[in-house]
Amino acid sequence: GENVEQHPSTLSVQEGDSAVIKCTYSDSASNYFPWYKQELGKGPQLIIDIRSNVGEKKDQRIAVTLNKTAKHFSLHITETQPEDSAVYFCAAFYTGGGNKLTFGTGTQLKVEL
Amino acid sequence: GAGVSQSPSNKVTEKGKDVELRCDPISGHTALYWYRQSLGQGLEFLIYFQGNSAPDKSGLPSDRFSAERTGGSVSTLTIQRTQQEDSAVYLCASSLGTGAYEQYFGPGTRLTVT
Repeated sequence: GENVEQHPSTLSVQEGDSAVIKCTYSDSASNYFPWYKQELGKGPQLIIDIRSNVGEKKDQRIAVTLNKTAKHFSLHITETQPEDSAVYFCAAFYTGGGNKLTFGTGTQLKVEL
Repeated sequence: GAGVSQSPSNKVTEKGKDVELRCDPISGHTALYWYRQSLGQGLEFLIYFQGNSAPDKSGLPSDRFSAERTGGSVSTLTIQRTQQEDSAVYLCASSLGTGAYEQYFGPGTRLTVT
C-alpha cells in the first residue's frame, strides 16, 4: 500500500514570511495529491490539489509542487497571515489497491505576529 | 448548499458500551468515507462506500467496528464493546465518486471512552 511521510510536524513563522511543508509518498501508482487545512474543532478542508500530470499549481498565496521522479510534493504558503495558523495534511490518492487517500501525519503551522 | 453533517458532535461513553455515529453526506455524492483521527495524529482510513458496491472495509481495526449505508445516503458507524483506545475523532467525508475527487469532510464526532 501507500505510505506518506510529512515534515515538519510543527512550523513556526513570522507573519509575512513563507512556509513550506514537504511530503513524500512511496507508490508510483498514486496520481492525485490534495492538501487539507484543519482548524481546531473542524473537519479538514481542501485548500489545493495537484494531479500527476502537472508539476506545479498556484492559487493566490498557496502553491504546490510535485516531483514524480523523487516521489515528493510540497506546499508553499507565501505572505503568511495569522489566519493561516492551523494543521495542514498532505495526502496521496492510491489507485493500486482500492482508490483511497493516504494522509500524512500533519504539520501544525503557527504564524506569529 | 449543505455540507457533510455528523452527529453527535461529542459522545462520552463507558467502556464496554456500544455507540453509533451518524453521517449525512452531501446530496448526490455517491462515495462516503469514514476516518479516525487520534490526538495529534493523521487521518486513518476505516471504510468506504461507493454506490451499491460492496464496501471496502480494509481499514476497520477490529470486528467490533462496523458500518452501513442505507439507501445510498446516510451512514452509521457502530463500535461495539468500546475500549479506551477507541477514543478519537471520527470523521466522515463524501465525494462524487471514488476516483481522484475532492473529499468533503464533516466536522467529526469526538468519542471519549471512560
